[in-house]
Amino acid sequence: DGGITQSPKYLFRKEGQNVTLSCEQNLNHDAMYWYRQDPGQGLRLIYYSQIVNDFQKGDIAEGYSVSREKKESFPLTVTSAQKNPTAFYLCASSKFYGTSDKGELFFGEGSRLTVL
Amino acid sequence: DAKTTQPTSMDCAEGRAANLPCNHSTISGNEYVYWYRQIHSQGPQYIIHGLKNNETNEMASLIITEDRKSSTLILPHATLRDTAVYYCIVRVRNAGNMLTFGGGTRLMVKP
Repeated sequence: DGGITQSPKYLFRKEGQNVTLSCEQNLNHDAMYWYRQDPGQGLRLIYYSQIVNDFQKGDIAEGYSVSREKKESFPLTVTSAQKNPTAFYLCASSKFYGTSDKGELFFGEGSRLTVL
Repeated sequence: DAKTTQPTSMDCAEGRAANLPCNHSTISGNEYVYWYRQIHSQGPQYIIHGLKNNETNEMASLIITEDRKSSTLILPHATLRDTAVYYCIVRVRNAGNMLTFGGGTRLMVKP
């Protein structure tokens, strides 16, 4: 089945360690996104990528880094510079925005990061 | 993107229609209204979208007022599985899919 796979689902890390969250999609979508969600809050955009080898900062990119070496993959690294990294992280994808008919985003199941 | 205002929470009896309102008084002529929902600890799921006309699909109906300043998402026969946070979003379609999610409405469907 086509979809977006995020791993790990739960992750615990010590303060000061970098962690990398995986996001893979087999929907043949051009665009991919990373959002962060804090308890009781909406989603905030961290980074997005419209095409391989290109990505742009979202609203809260500080302390995060991404890469887009393959169309299917968009990993997110939470660095030690991120002051409050404990959160629920969601990856999404969509057809290239210029050709999308619905403008629909498809989301993964999320990764919950807890920094101890 | 235009800002939206939604009630923080609502209750609905199982089997009844759930009517979720959204105000978007600053919406522009080329901005669409999108609805997503997020069941606890899962990724958001697309429900429906519209521009001016009312829309219906297998999940819900979307009623947009004539002046487009507000809309209502209708779940015709709510079930317990419809308990979720519902997000109303307005955006220019095909001008980027970077959706801005506000706080949404937490719908609790009760037996």
